[in-house]
Amino acid sequence: DSGVTQTPKHLITATGQRVTLRCSPRSGDLSVYWYQQSLDQGLQFLIQYYNGEERAKGNILERFSAQQFPDLHSELNLSSLELGDSALYFCASSPRRGGPVGETQYFGPGTRLLVL
Amino acid sequence: AQKITQTQPGMFVQEKEAVTLDCTYDTSDQSYGLFWYKQPSSGEMIFLIYQGSYDEQNATEGRYSLNFQKARKSANLVISASQLGDSAMYFCAMREEMDSSYKLIFGSGTRLLVRP
Repeated sequence: DSGVTQTPKHLITATGQRVTLRCSPRSGDLSVYWYQQSLDQGLQFLIQYYNGEERAKGNILERFSAQQFPDLHSELNLSSLELGDSALYFCASSPRRGGPVGETQYFGPGTRLLVL
Repeated sequence: AQKITQTQPGMFVQEKEAVTLDCTYDTSDQSYGLFWYKQPSSGEMIFLIYQGSYDEQNATEGRYSLNFQKARKSANLVISASQLGDSAMYFCAMREEMDSSYKLIFGSGTRLLVRP
């Protein structure tokens, strides 16, 4: 158990809908990272938050947004969903914003999203 | 930009034997970190082992060790005494620095199947 929790574990929805994925980082970790794992794109970084502020953006669509709350949990909002958004969405956490080279990101169990 | 290459889509190994999973990387940074993660069929990403570019010795964690060859830019994962529970996808990852932060970039993974 990495200490990172994600809910829900599975999510099935329809095209055009909006969903919210939730992540709680490990105790003491201030950084939260979101990754998407799909069959065609592999594992890709989406966005990072550190202590409530957005710090880095990757290949995140404009239809997607995220935030980190004062209690450090984070939510990833996916809107106007398309079939191609079906994927496994991971949250990872680390203690710092850009820590030492050896700082490890610990991953949550993921949320499997299926868009029908 | 950094790049991670895993050229073995799938591998078989007999239980109790050792297996090597290949990973090559491309970076112009002098200081960098390399990570291996395991993804069982249940989907979670489990951190296995880390190797820093300036580490003088190859990293080891229990049955996992890293065969790090800096000049060849390779960081192969060696699993000794394979167990049935080692059957999973294995991802090599590298840290990529971004404006006071960093993300992980992943290879395409190797699916390992341990035969009884």
